[in-house]
Amino acid sequence: DAGVIQSPRHEVTEMGQEVTLRCKPISGHDYLFWYRQTMMRGLELLIYFNNNVPIDDSGMPEDRFSAKMPNASFSTLKIQPSEPRDSAVYFCASSLVSGGAGEQFFGPGTRLTVL
Amino acid sequence: GENVEQHPSTLSVQEGDSAVIKCTYSDSASNYFPWYKQELGKRPQLIIDIRSNVGEKKDQRIAVTLNKTAKHFSLHITETQPEDSAVYFCAASIGTYKYIFGTGTRLKVLA
Repeated sequence: DAGVIQSPRHEVTEMGQEVTLRCKPISGHDYLFWYRQTMMRGLELLIYFNNNVPIDDSGMPEDRFSAKMPNASFSTLKIQPSEPRDSAVYFCASSLVSGGAGEQFFGPGTRLTVL
Repeated sequence: GENVEQHPSTLSVQEGDSAVIKCTYSDSASNYFPWYKQELGKRPQLIIDIRSNVGEKKDQRIAVTLNKTAKHFSLHITETQPEDSAVYFCAASIGTYKYIFGTGTRLKVLA
């Protein structure tokens, strides 16, 4: 398996533009997580899905952020409109949960820069 | 709310020495404690984990200990090598499926 795939790897955009980040989880995994990593705030969980259904979005910073998982092999995180403070590395991770929490496999991340 | 505290934030050791990183957690219901290593510009990767029914786990030069009463867990790396230089994150499970991560420890192994 190729592991978790994210695209794009780098994104540079201007304030006010819409940004869409994409993730393909490991085949067969039933949980998908979106994280944001910054120097100031570390690794923050934004939202996670189970079997394509959003379970907990309490980490989503504000209404400008939205996430979807239309099927088991694809998820998007959208920021509209983007702001400079959204600049960060966004990671997607997936997990096969049986018997409780277990390893989360991270994708390579998308480095977002909002000018 | 739930949180995980991690210390130290930076750690420098001589090659061959041991390194210890400590974490405390607040949720007494946490039952899974993974440690991730993140090299510069790379993704976090699991290096070892421990569940609450176990007090210690070893994997070659890496070990993790857990004290449930004190809500402490620690990562021990022996015989450190330059390739151990990275940022290490502890985490504790919250609820059944999600983690809260510590703030990270930047380990530098000096040759």
